[in-house]
Amino acid sequence: KQEVTQIPAALSVPEGENLVLNCSFTDSAIYNLQWFRQDPGKGLTSLLLIQSSQREQTSGRLNASLDKSSGRSTLYIAASQPGDSATYLCAVRREGAQKLVFGQGTRLTINP
Amino acid sequence: GAVVSQHPSRVICKSGTSVKIECRSLDFQATTMFWYRQFPKKSLMLMATSNEGSKATYEQGVEKDKFLINHASLTLSTLTVTSAHPEDSSFYICSASKAGGPYEQYFGPGTRLTVT
Repeated sequence: KQEVTQIPAALSVPEGENLVLNCSFTDSAIYNLQWFRQDPGKGLTSLLLIQSSQREQTSGRLNASLDKSSGRSTLYIAASQPGDSATYLCAVRREGAQKLVFGQGTRLTINP
Repeated sequence: GAVVSQHPSRVICKSGTSVKIECRSLDFQATTMFWYRQFPKKSLMLMATSNEGSKATYEQGVEKDKFLINHASLTLSTLTVTSAHPEDSSFYICSASKAGGPYEQYFGPGTRLTVT
């Protein structure tokens, strides 16, 4: 059974810092991995999707990496801003499956 | 593109009544839609997966007779909570995948259900 873990559960940093969020998964037979952002009381916004054959994806100040063999992914946020404050979720999709398995999320707070 | 809407965004209903939540893909055809439930400060729990034109596949522990899912078209899926009780109060989120790969899921804004 696939299990997804995100560390830390919460993170608070001053504005302007670069930071890394971690995601690990137990079954390396994944099809893809997605990083999402969720604001309080809102739905999920997809940030980046990495296929199992890819090593990383970039979008603006965000960079996500994937090491499938070790079961790890990181989300790097450069030059953090207060507007980046949200909960970040990673989710993996197993090969041959339709559904996503989510981690518990990291609640990020960027202090002005 | 890839916008998913949900209606209503908030609903309050009395215990024992039924409530329907709609999930629509606005600018793409969604062969597969997913329904999730989220408790406060918790992650998403998948309730069921629905493919257009076929019966939904429910996750273990989810009552199919209580949570009725219909995916009658490529742009609409509905979740009906039947005989709702206060413990059904939650945040319900749907997502949709386009036909073909890479099967990225696009999420709706969620529906806050409160059962009094």
